[in-house]
Amino acid sequence: DSGVTQTPKHLITATGQRVTLRCSPRSGDLSVYWYQQSLDQGLQFLIQYYNGEERAKGNILERFSAQQFPDLHSELNLSSLELGDSALYFCASSAGHMNTEAFFGQGTRLTVV
Amino acid sequence: AQSVSQHNHHVILSEAASLELGCNYSYGGTVNLFWYVQYPGQHLQLLLKYFSGDPLVKGIKGFEAEFIKSKFSFNLRKPSVQWSDTAEYFCAVTGGNDYKLSFGAGTTVTVRA
Repeated sequence: DSGVTQTPKHLITATGQRVTLRCSPRSGDLSVYWYQQSLDQGLQFLIQYYNGEERAKGNILERFSAQQFPDLHSELNLSSLELGDSALYFCASSAGHMNTEAFFGQGTRLTVV
Repeated sequence: AQSVSQHNHHVILSEAASLELGCNYSYGGTVNLFWYVQYPGQHLQLLLKYFSGDPLVKGIKGFEAEFIKSKFSFNLRKPSVQWSDTAEYFCAVTGGNDYKLSFGAGTTVTVRA
């Protein structure tokens, strides 16, 4: 158990809908990262937050947004869902904002039908 | 921004064979390097990491990696694999002012009993 908790574990929703994925980092970790893993794109970095502030942005679509709350948990919001958004979404956390190892959650498997 | 290349997409070998997975990165400054493993149906787990010091790094489960700065490489090795090493292996890097943890495409390792 990495100490990073993601909910829900599985999510099935229809195209056009909006979903929210939740991540609780390890106790004491200030950084949260979101990644998307799909068969054709591999592991893609989406966004990173450190202590509530956005620190780095990757290949995140405009339909996607995220935030980190004062209690350090983070949410990834995916809207206007398309079939191609079906993937495994991982959250990771680390102590610092850079150059520290990241610990991954179990992921949320999103299926858009 | 840095990029990470993993040379092998899929490696198949027999138990007790030696394993070496290649990883090259593009960033020329100070980097931190990681190897993660993802067992089937599970989240990513850290195998080993390099921040500084001895370029030969030993990790868990008998894995080691060697950082060769002149070659921008961080290859993963294991002298004798087991069936339980069947997994996907990811090389990752952070460096300089690039906060995000960038991953390679991954190498699927299949160990035949």
